[in-house]
Amino acid sequence: GEDVEQSLFLSVREGDSSVINCTYTDSSSTYLYWYKQEPGAGLQLLTYIFSNMDMKQDQRLTVLLNKKDKHLSLRIADTQTGDSAIYFCAEFMDSSYKLIFGSGTRLLVRP
Amino acid sequence: EAGVTQFPSHSVIEKGQTVTLRCDPISGHDNLYWYRRVMGKEIKFLLHFVKESKQDESGMPNNRFLAERTGGTYSTLKVQPAELEDSGVYFCASSQGTPVDTQYFGPGTRLTVL
Repeated sequence: GEDVEQSLFLSVREGDSSVINCTYTDSSSTYLYWYKQEPGAGLQLLTYIFSNMDMKQDQRLTVLLNKKDKHLSLRIADTQTGDSAIYFCAEFMDSSYKLIFGSGTRLLVRP
Repeated sequence: EAGVTQFPSHSVIEKGQTVTLRCDPISGHDNLYWYRRVMGKEIKFLLHFVKESKQDESGMPNNRFLAERTGGTYSTLKVQPAELEDSGVYFCASSQGTPVDTQYFGPGTRLTVL
């Protein structure tokens, strides 16, 4: 079935690295996405990775993809208080063109 | 370039009433999607338009929900009659020419059914 799993909550100290993990089920997904939702705001596209890549780096963000284990992670270096938000992992279903989301990981950054 | 917009941002209605949500996609985007997040759970797909045609409506919960996209521009999602379990945040997203293009989301409409 279609299922994306994420841990619900992560708390880190400002300046530390944050790692948010996600597991998915469809091995044929072409793209995997990370979206960010700040309080009171909509879903902001943060980054994505193509399925033939193992890693993608974009400034403070690093995405790692392990296709064998169907595991995706998002690492935020030097986490800031402005990074506090809910982070959603999503896999793109090639067969139906829809995104399957996880429940979201609430990241709290402590000063 | 304007992003995806949704109206209203919040709606509070009583059980049994009707509510219509509106989504304006990014100009030129043929694909329009509706999703919703209920009770802090995962965001779930409702349906997908390609221009004015419904490509996939497999996620629509029941026949109380009706989505339209006349003329292939903005879309409306009507809930009639609303039930308590319909409360949640309804997101709209759009993508450009092909369905594999990245989906950009609007701010969502928070619906509360009392």
